[in-house]
Order: sequence, then C-alpha cells, then structure tokens
Amino acid sequence: GENVEQHPSTLSVQEGDSAVIKCTYSDSASNYFPWYKQELGKRPQLIIDIRSNVGEKKDQRIAVTLNKTAKHFSLHITETQPEDSAVYFCAASLSAGGTSYGKLTFGQGTILTVHP
Amino acid sequence: GAVVSQHPSRVICKSGTSVKIECRSLDFQATTMFWYRQFPKQSLMLMATSNEGSKATYEQGVEKDKFLINHASLTLSTLTVTSAHPEDSSFYICSAPNRGQSYNEQFFGPGTRLTVL
Repeated sequence: GENVEQHPSTLSVQEGDSAVIKCTYSDSASNYFPWYKQELGKRPQLIIDIRSNVGEKKDQRIAVTLNKTAKHFSLHITETQPEDSAVYFCAASLSAGGTSYGKLTFGQGTILTVHP
Repeated sequence: GAVVSQHPSRVICKSGTSVKIECRSLDFQATTMFWYRQFPKQSLMLMATSNEGSKATYEQGVEKDKFLINHASLTLSTLTVTSAHPEDSSFYICSAPNRGQSYNEQFFGPGTRLTVL
C-alpha cells in the first residue's frame, strides 16, 4: 500500500518568512495530493491540492509543487502570518479506479509555528 | 456545498460498553465514506472504507468485529466501537467524496472525541 513520509515534524519561522514542508510517497499510481491544515480538535481543512498531470499550483500565499519522477511534493507558504500556525498534513490518494479509489494516506504532520 | 456532519461530537463511556458514531452527508449522496482515527499528536489513520449497500473494507490491523460499520443509506454511515476500552480513546473522523462537485476532494466531518474510562 501507499506510504507517505513528511518532513519536518516541527517548523518554527518568523512572521513574514517562508515555510516549506516536504512529502514523499511510495505508490507511483497515486495521482491526487492534497494538503490539509488542522487546528486542535478540529477537522482537517483542505488548503490546496494538486493532481499528477500538473507540476505546480498556486493560490495566493500557498503553492504546491509535484515531482512525479522523484515521487515527492512540497507545500510552500510565503509571507507567513501567526494565524498560519497549525498542524499541516500532506496526503496521497488514487483519484479513480481500483479498490483504493479515494483512500487518503496521510503524512505524519508538521507543526508550524509562526512567531510574531 | 458539501457538508458532512458527525454525531455525537464528544462521548465519554465506561469500559466494556459500545458506542455508535454517525456520519452524515447533508447535501449530497455518498456511496463511499471513510473512517479515520487520530490519536493525540498523531496523524489520521484510515480505519475502513464504508460502502453503501455492501460490506465495509477494513485496513490491515483494524478489527472488523470491534469496529462495526454500517452504510445503510446514501447519506449515513455508522461506526460502532464495541466493548470499548481505554486504548480506543481517540478522535474519530469520517470523510466522503462528493463526486458531483469535485472528483477528488474529500469532505470531512467535524470529528467525534471518544473517551473510554
């Protein structure tokens, strides 16, 4: 089955700096890669996602890059703000077909702290 | 929209009792729902895939007789934790894709905090 590794486990930055979180996956059949922000006791919130036919996607201060050959993808947050502080999870899934359809395999999570 | 609700949001029970958690898709039909468990300071781990009208598919290491899943309608899946023990205390979250809105995106319920005394 799929295995997703996420680094770093904790990340501390100053307000205004950039933050980068990296993930690798093992199953070359995975083709959908979402990123979630989770606050304590709450459900994960989708912040950005990317499909395997795209190498990069950007939404305001957030961007995701995907390298299918190397099987890794990264989250980039620019101009970080204290309200960006949360736990971030990457995930991988197969978006169509097969018994694994739609199943999300999550990375271990990154605790991001943005200091004012 | 695509809203998923869970009930209850929080439950405390005694060891040995059973607890039922409901997951509902409020504004869309979900033939498939997923159940995750999240221990404190850990990631979400998929427990099982709930399929409307058929048996659930459990992930390796998840006891199907302990975690009973029923997906009796297109908007409701239930997870019953049978003979709960303190080690079952966790945050249980369901999710469902809304194929009509977004082929890939999963919509998560708010989660159920289970505490077994």
